[in-house]
Amino acid sequence: DGGITQSPKYLFRKEGQNVTLSCEQNLNHDAMYWYRQDPGQGLRLIYYSQIVNDFQKGDIAEGYSVSREKKESFPLTVTSAQKNPTAFYLCASSFRQGLDGYTFGSGTRLTVV
Amino acid sequence: RKEVEQDPGPFNVPEGATVAFNCTYSNSASQSFFWYRQDCRKEPKLLMSVYSSGNEDGRFTAQLNRASQYISLLIRDSKLSDSATYLCVVRSPPGNTPLVFGKGTRLSVIA
Repeated sequence: DGGITQSPKYLFRKEGQNVTLSCEQNLNHDAMYWYRQDPGQGLRLIYYSQIVNDFQKGDIAEGYSVSREKKESFPLTVTSAQKNPTAFYLCASSFRQGLDGYTFGSGTRLTVV
Repeated sequence: RKEVEQDPGPFNVPEGATVAFNCTYSNSASQSFFWYRQDCRKEPKLLMSVYSSGNEDGRFTAQLNRASQYISLLIRDSKLSDSATYLCVVRSPPGNTPLVFGKGTRLSVIA
């Protein structure tokens, strides 16, 4: 079955460390997105990519970096510059125009310890 | 004004009740509209798209009022399993910009 897979499900990071969250899809979707969700809050866009080797900043890109070397993969690195990284991170994908909405992965819950 | 606004709730309703959620959006040129459902600590899942003519899927009815920039979701005969947060989602032009999510309205259906 096609889908979008995020790993790991839970991640603990020490202060000052960079960590990378994985997102892989086999839906043949062109576009991929990263959102952050804090408790009781809506989804906020971090980065998105509509084609391979191209990506754009979202509303809260500071302290994050991404790459899109393959159509199937869109990893997110949370750098030490991100001051409040504890959150629920959601990856999504869609066809280029996204007319059918997005398909989400099951998320990664990141906690700074 | 926020791009997508929803009443945060919570809405606490008995089983079998009819409940309506409302959402307003700020960009009159917005092109695509959706309702997503998110269970606690899970990812959002597409519930239904919202079409200009209105659309229905079983107990769920979605309506769009472009003149008032207003979207609604009606749930009839509520079930315990309908308890979740319902997210209003809008796409503003140009056509391939990312979706914008409202903060959601929490529904608790009580036995």
